[in-house]
Amino acid sequence: QVQLVQSGSELKKPGASVKVSCKASGYTLNNYAMNWVRQAPGQGLEWMGWINTNTGNPTYAQGFTGRFVFSLDTSVNTAYLQISSLKAEDTAVYYCARDQGWWFDPWGQGTLVTVSS
Amino acid sequence: QSALTQAASVSGSPGQSITISCAGTSNDVGGYTHVSWYQQHPGTAPKLMISEVSNRPSGVSNRFSGSKSGNTASLTISGLQAEDEADYYCSSYTSSATLVFGGGTRVTVL
Repeated sequence: QVQLVQSGSELKKPGASVKVSCKASGYTLNNYAMNWVRQAPGQGLEWMGWINTNTGNPTYAQGFTGRFVFSLDTSVNTAYLQISSLKAEDTAVYYCARDQGWWFDPWGQGTLVTVSS
Repeated sequence: QSALTQAASVSGSPGQSITISCAGTSNDVGGYTHVSWYQQHPGTAPKLMISEVSNRPSGVSNRFSGSKSGNTASLTISGLQAEDEADYYCSSYTSSATLVFGGGTRVTVL
């Protein structure tokens, strides 16, 4: 069946970087765009942007430019989110979600990134 | 882009119907059909419940229905059940070619 499996929780110090993976199974990554969504503790969903899985061209939402990078490795059917210069306020669960036309299904299980000294 | 406006909480008794509203503008909800609804139980990933204003994916109970009037979209849950207790989020495509979520509504089954 179609599913997205994300990498496990991460604990990082401020200033470090993290790379979250999102492996697609049951379909070819190239066939659908991939979106990323952030959910801070106790907060709602926040759209981070999307990546065109055919061209690799990313689009970042306001507030997610500079330190956030979306990438792909189509040879392993996987999308990635890298965050650099981590800050405490980056502590959140990060989700990848398959885009079927500005609606998302399925979603990955989420990756908790905790930034703490 | 400001978040779409949802009530913080809605409650109902088992068997009742409830409606969750999602207010936007003509630049998002009012201008496009790309309005979706997601259900999220604590500690789990969001699940698509409604796409394109009113389309229900296979496997989603027909107790869930979506609609839109002007700049406001709505999700109605009929025959409320204990398992429906969760957070619900709306989302919409925007005129800036971005996506915006609502702030979320906590549904409580009394």
